Amino acid sequence: GQNIDQPTEMTATEGAIVQINCTYQTSGFNGLFWYQQHAGEAPTFLSYNVLDGLEEKGRFSSFLSWSKGYSYLLLKELQMKDSASYLCAVRDSNYQLIWGAGTKLIIKP
Amino acid sequence: IAGITQAPTSQILAAGRRMTLRCTQDMRHNAMYWYRQDLGLGLRLIHYSNTAGTTGKGEVPDGYSVSRANTDDFPLTLASAVPSQTSVYFCASSDSLAGYNEQFFGPGTRLTVL
Repeated sequence: GQNIDQPTEMTATEGAIVQINCTYQTSGFNGLFWYQQHAGEAPTFLSYNVLDGLEEKGRFSSFLSWSKGYSYLLLKELQMKDSASYLCAVRDSNYQLIWGAGTKLIIKP
Repeated sequence: IAGITQAPTSQILAAGRRMTLRCTQDMRHNAMYWYRQDLGLGLRLIHYSNTAGTTGKGEVPDGYSVSRANTDDFPLTLASAVPSQTSVYFCASSDSLAGYNEQFFGPGTRLTVL
């Protein structure tokens, strides 16, 4: 079967750095996405990785190791508005997105 | 319209009733999707469409049907609603299925079936 694993919840302090991990087992791999979802809202796109390595976009970075079935999202200089759920999704061999259940990130002042 | 709209925003429905959730996008995207999101579970794909005139089944298609008569609209129909279909439904679109093509999501429809 296909599986995406992420921690259910994480807590971090404003101004700090947090790393959210994602491991996956899917039938095929055609890229990995990270989305942010604030409570009661729709998911919004953060990053896309298809090659091994780090993709940096402002305060957010995403890393992929295809051979290890592993990715992480790194958030720097945390702000209160970063309190949200972070969703990891893998595009499989049928080009469908398989989604993790999401990691709820709580930012404390 | 800018992006994707969904209607209604929320709905309470009696079991056994028929319901159509509407989705319209103005980005001229080829691909469209319907997901449901339940607490503790990831988004699950119900149906998708590669392009106008074609549709496909996702992970959880039973009890749902879709049509894609044109590029912009992708309605989702529950023929006879059951309580297990209580969920938040998101419509999404992307330029295509493949490549660096992020999916853009509508605001969602919160559906309760009693």
